[in-house]
Amino acid sequence: DQQVKQNSPSLSVQEGRISILNCDYTNSMFDYFLWYKKYPAEGPTFLISISSIKDKNEDGRFTVFLNKSAKHLSLHIVPSQPGDSAVYFCAAHKTGANNLFFGTGTRLTVIP
Amino acid sequence: DAGVIQSPRHEVTEMGQEVTLRCKPISGHDYLFWYRQTMMRGLELLIYFNNNVPIDDSGMPEDRFSAKMPNASFSTLKIQPSEPRDSAVYFCASSLGGRKYEQYFGPGTRLTVT
Repeated sequence: DQQVKQNSPSLSVQEGRISILNCDYTNSMFDYFLWYKKYPAEGPTFLISISSIKDKNEDGRFTVFLNKSAKHLSLHIVPSQPGDSAVYFCAAHKTGANNLFFGTGTRLTVIP
Repeated sequence: DAGVIQSPRHEVTEMGQEVTLRCKPISGHDYLFWYRQTMMRGLELLIYFNNNVPIDDSGMPEDRFSAKMPNASFSTLKIQPSEPRDSAVYFCASSLGGRKYEQYFGPGTRLTVT
C-alpha cells in the first residue's frame, strides 16, 4: 500500500524554466515531509523539508508547498539548471514513528 | 566525514547463494536504516535500528532476509538463499536522533541474482 505517491515517473523542462514535481499522500498522520534528490550511482541526498504546520518553505531556488486539505505537496525549482537533472523522491514522516515513507520517484531532465 | 559507507557496490550471485551486504553509518548517528529500491515500489524500508537495537523489521520481505548491528559502526543485511526477485539496489542510511527526519544515505549496493 503506497502511502506516498508520485504519479509522474518523468518530467522534462527547458533550462531556465520552472520545474514542478508533485507528490500525493494518503495518511493524515504524516507530520513532516521531505524531498530527496538522487543522482545515478549515488544514494539519495536530502534537499528540503516542510513541517505540516506550514504551507511553504523556501531555500534558494527550491520551494516546497504543502496543501494539507488536498494531501498534496509540490517542489518548485526555479530557474531549473542542467545540474538539477536527477531523480527526486518525496518522503513523509508519521507522528510517533522513526522511519520515512518514500514515493517511487520522478526523474527530472533539464534540457540545456 | 566519509559519509555512510556500503560494500560491495555491486554484487552478482547465483540463485540459492548467500549474500551479505555491509554498512558503516556516520559516526555518532544513532539510527540506521536499510532500504531496497525497485522501479515498482520505489524506496522500501526493510528494517531500522536505534542504538544497535532492531526496532522495526516489518518491511523485511521474508525469513530469507536478516539484519544485524553488532556495534554502532557496522551493520549487515544478509539474504540466504537469494532469489532473482531479490535483485535491486539496497541502501543503508543513518540519522541523528534529534534530526531523524534527515537521513544520510550510502551509495547503495546493486544486487543481481541470476
